[in-house]
Amino acid sequence: EAQVTQNPRYLITVTGKKLTVTCSQNMNHEYMSWYRQDPGLGLRQIYYSMNVEVTDKGDVPEGYKVSRKEKRNFPLILESPSPNQTSLYFCASKQEVRDTQYFGPGTRLTVL
Amino acid sequence: RKEVEQDPGPFNVPEGATVAFNCTYSNSASQSFFWYRQDCRKEPKLLMSVYSSGNEDGRFTAQLNRASQYISLLIRDSKLSDSATYLCAVNMYQANQAGTALIFGKGTTLSVSS
Repeated sequence: EAQVTQNPRYLITVTGKKLTVTCSQNMNHEYMSWYRQDPGLGLRQIYYSMNVEVTDKGDVPEGYKVSRKEKRNFPLILESPSPNQTSLYFCASKQEVRDTQYFGPGTRLTVL
Repeated sequence: RKEVEQDPGPFNVPEGATVAFNCTYSNSASQSFFWYRQDCRKEPKLLMSVYSSGNEDGRFTAQLNRASQYISLLIRDSKLSDSATYLCAVNMYQANQAGTALIFGKGTTLSVSS
């Protein structure tokens, strides 16, 4: 089954404790993105990657890092999480820039 | 002007009603357009792509008006199961990116009641 998976689905952590949210897709898509979704603000892109070893900032990259060492994986790293990073995070992938995107199930992160 | 704008609603309609959502976009060079459906606390899922000639899928019709820079979604004979948030998405050129990015509206909430 074609899908985007994320782990963990739910995470409660404390300020400053480094964490990684994994994302994997099995559709051989070149383009992957991370979004956060907050009430009243909609979906905002954090980082994106157009191919292996090619990543770039989206609209709200501060406080986040990503890597793309393999085509299928695109982990999101929070080196020192803060409470304002409490949000619902979605990973997404698509084959080409103009295509529609397929979303992972989301990761609900709470930073205390 | 925001890049992609939608009326947030909520739209509260009875079963069987016809409801229409509009979404405006700022970049006239935008190339591709989509409607997504998002259920509470779930991921957005593609509902329909929007083509220049308009397209229909059962009770759902999507249209594109390039001159006025908006897309629309029409839902006929609303069902309780149509209750969700509907997001429009537009591929548009971003100055801070190497090419285009998919920009989402904030979503329109629909509640269908019996």
